[in-house]
Amino acid sequence: QSVLTQPPSVSAAPGQKVTISCSGSSSNIGNNYVSWYQQLPGTAPKLLIYDNNKRPSGIPDRFSGSKSGTSATLGITGLQTGDEADYYCGTWDSSLSAGLFGGGTKVTVL
Amino acid sequence: QVHLVESGGGLVKPGGSLRLSCAASGFTFSDYYMSWIRQAPGKGLEWVSYISSSSSFTNYADSVKGRFTISRDDAKNLLYLQMNSLRVEDTAVYYCARVLVAWGQGTQVTVSS
Repeated sequence: QSVLTQPPSVSAAPGQKVTISCSGSSSNIGNNYVSWYQQLPGTAPKLLIYDNNKRPSGIPDRFSGSKSGTSATLGITGLQTGDEADYYCGTWDSSLSAGLFGGGTKVTVL
Repeated sequence: QVHLVESGGGLVKPGGSLRLSCAASGFTFSDYYMSWIRQAPGKGLEWVSYISSSSSFTNYADSVKGRFTISRDDAKNLLYLQMNSLRVEDTAVYYCARVLVAWGQGTQVTVSS
């Protein structure tokens, strides 16, 4: 069982918006940056968001990140069939001195 | 541009050993702490270990503590993971990462008799 809690799945129609939550505690999300990763089937995870809300170059602004207290959220607008993938949140836990990941959320485009 | 390339994976019998390597380029390797992360077939991401800059601090997931050892060679820009007493449940793709942000493409480790 992951320390960071994500919903197992979310879905929406093309063009719509989805949000994925990532819930933690004060020792991890509450006091550390959050990253988000997209994993397409059979490929390595790809960084979508780092430092809570920053996008690496090449990541479209349809993807956004935010953090409030001990929770973080990934938003995807203008949903496309190519966005069907697993999405993970990740952060550091200061008490454990360890990295943490959410269990992953499968995004389905209806 | 950050570039990380893992190598050293393969098929090994239970109880065996492997040493993974990660070649880093595109950044000042010695300035960053580095991690190993793995993903078992059909499962999510699992953080395995980290090493601080200057190798001052290391830590491991409970699942590998006492069996795996992380190290680095800052002169060669290389990160290592020595894996001993391997178990079937260690079968996974292993990724090296700069902090938790920049990742390599991974190397497959299969533990099977």
